[in-house]
Amino acid sequence: QKEVEQNSGPLSVPEGAIASLNCTYSDRGSQSFFWYRQYSGKSPELIMSIYSNGDKEDGRFTAQLNKASQYISLLIRDSKLSDSATYRCAMNRNTGKLIFGQGTTLQVKP
Amino acid sequence: NAGVTQTPKFQVLKTGQSMTLQCAQDMNHNSMYWYRQDPGMGLRLIYYSASEGTTDKGEVPNGYNVSRLNKREFSLRLESAAPSQTSVYFCASSEGSGRRNEQFFGPGTRLTVL
Repeated sequence: QKEVEQNSGPLSVPEGAIASLNCTYSDRGSQSFFWYRQYSGKSPELIMSIYSNGDKEDGRFTAQLNKASQYISLLIRDSKLSDSATYRCAMNRNTGKLIFGQGTTLQVKP
Repeated sequence: NAGVTQTPKFQVLKTGQSMTLQCAQDMNHNSMYWYRQDPGMGLRLIYYSASEGTTDKGEVPNGYNVSRLNKREFSLRLESAAPSQTSVYFCASSEGSGRRNEQFFGPGTRLTVL
């Protein structure tokens, strides 16, 4: 079992819709979780961090963490064409290293 | 603040040549990392430095060496480049210890080994 499982997609949503991206993880000791966005040919960009159970909202983005069920999700409301990218979840087990998911490709279509 | 900077942006090497990739951060971070990303693939950790003066192997260290020159700079060296090392190399940095460990990435170096 991989430490972080993430559907590679592609996930296709129409412009203006809600995009929902999900990850599950195996290590209950993980304490902090992140979402990175990577445009084609560019470097990963941190867009959300979440440390406690529940929701964290930042503009059109909402990160959700459920430690009991060991999953995290990212909701993107009012999806825009510019949201088309690969989104990776990552978790920190306090080892000094992040464990990354394989990434989900999101395609927002007009 | 420039964040994390990397040089060069692009490089083409012949098999057997050596080179050093440079990385610097101006965020006063303790930890620094080197990743490689192959086309259509995820990020694989090569080496990391939890703090100045320390380095540790990551997932794919073979064929690479690193130097943590000071708190700001962390270099990656290919002693004898091989075509299998054709990849995009990203450097990242973070505060390091503790709960947060948000990593911030540089723009990357695109390396081709012929």
